[in-house]
Amino acid sequence: EAQVTQNPRYLITVTGKKLTVTCSQNMNHEYMSWYRQDPGLGLRQIYYSMNVEVTDKGDVPEGYKVSRKEKRNFPLILESPSPNQTSLYFCASSRDGQGGLAGVSEQYFGPGTRLTVT
Amino acid sequence: GNSVTQMEGPVTLSEEAFLTINCTYTATGYPSLFWYVQYPGEGLQLLLKATKADDKGSNKGFEATYRKETTSFHLEKGSVQVSDSAVYFCALSSGSGYSTLTFGKGTMLLVSP
Repeated sequence: EAQVTQNPRYLITVTGKKLTVTCSQNMNHEYMSWYRQDPGLGLRQIYYSMNVEVTDKGDVPEGYKVSRKEKRNFPLILESPSPNQTSLYFCASSRDGQGGLAGVSEQYFGPGTRLTVT
Repeated sequence: GNSVTQMEGPVTLSEEAFLTINCTYTATGYPSLFWYVQYPGEGLQLLLKATKADDKGSNKGFEATYRKETTSFHLEKGSVQVSDSAVYFCALSSGSGYSTLTFGKGTMLLVSP
């Protein structure tokens, strides 16, 4: 089954304690992305990756890091989480990468990770 | 830059009512337009899309037409069901060779029996 998986699904942590949210897709997609969803703000892109070792900032990258060492995985790292990073996080992937048909391919979303930072 | 504006919700309807959720956009070039749906507790899934002016996307009884002259992509359904209760997101993509999406803030739809 084609899918995007995220772990953990729920996480409560304390300010300053480093954490990683994993994302994996089994569709051999080139493009992967992280979003956060907040009430009244919709989805905002944090980082995206067009292929292995190619990453770039989205609209709200501050306080986050990513890496893309393998095509299937795209972890989101919070080096020193703060309460304003409490949010619902979604990973997504798409067939298109750099040089592909712009915006035509569907993005597949993971089930979400609800993060609370106290 | 790119932006998407959706009508604020929640939209509350009775079963079998007609649905319209308005969406307008600002973008350079010729964006592709999408509607995504998020059911409670789940991630987003693509509902329909249109890639050029005057295209009509349709799926599961929902329709939206890409209107370049009014920069709009309104979502419609003739007869909603309780199972359509969800949050609907309008989005666009106008990247040069990649799939970055700009989302609206989402519109919650609540359908009662």
